[in-house]
Amino acid sequence: DGGITQSPKYLFRKEGQNVTLSCEQNLNHDAMYWYRQDPGQGLRLIYYSQIVNDFQKGDIAEGYSVSREKKESFPLTVTSAQKNPTAFYLCASSTLPSYNEQFFGPGTRLTVL
Amino acid sequence: AQTVTQSQPEMSVQEAETVTLSCTYDTSESDYYLFWYKQPPSRQMILVIRQEAYKQQNATENRFSVNFQKAAKSFSLKISDSQLGDAAMYFCAYRTSQGGSEKLVFGKGTKLTVNP
Repeated sequence: DGGITQSPKYLFRKEGQNVTLSCEQNLNHDAMYWYRQDPGQGLRLIYYSQIVNDFQKGDIAEGYSVSREKKESFPLTVTSAQKNPTAFYLCASSTLPSYNEQFFGPGTRLTVL
Repeated sequence: AQTVTQSQPEMSVQEAETVTLSCTYDTSESDYYLFWYKQPPSRQMILVIRQEAYKQQNATENRFSVNFQKAAKSFSLKISDSQLGDAAMYFCAYRTSQGGSEKLVFGKGTKLTVNP
């Protein structure tokens, strides 16, 4: 079945540690996205990528980094510079042009202790 | 910058009844796209319906329909014959049609409760 997988579903880390969230898609989509969701808030874009080896900052990129070495994969690293990393993180992908539907993964809940 | 406002943090509806969720947005563009996404307790985001601003006809998907008022910058979602499975957070989202700006701008969501 085609879809987007995110792992792990729950992640706990100590303050000051970097952590990497996985996102894989087998939909053959060119574009991939990372969003952050906080309680009572809509989704906010962290980073997006339209092509391998290229990515762009979204609205809240500070303290995060990404890579796009393969079309299927778009991992997100939450660095120690991110001041409030505890949140729910959603990965999405779409065909281009990207005003087509974005398909979302099941999300990763990151808790920093 | 575009903004999306959902003025109803919570709504409730009786099973089999109809409910309308409100969404307004602010933009200076004439061409854009609007979406309603559903996020059930599983937290999986699911597209409910999509509207292109250049189309005057309101989009419809089975029990879900929109009332798109371009001049008023309003994009409400109507759910007919509500079912227990419709209970979820609903997010309205805006997407520019211009290339180079790839983000969806989301509202803060409306929590819909369906009462049996």
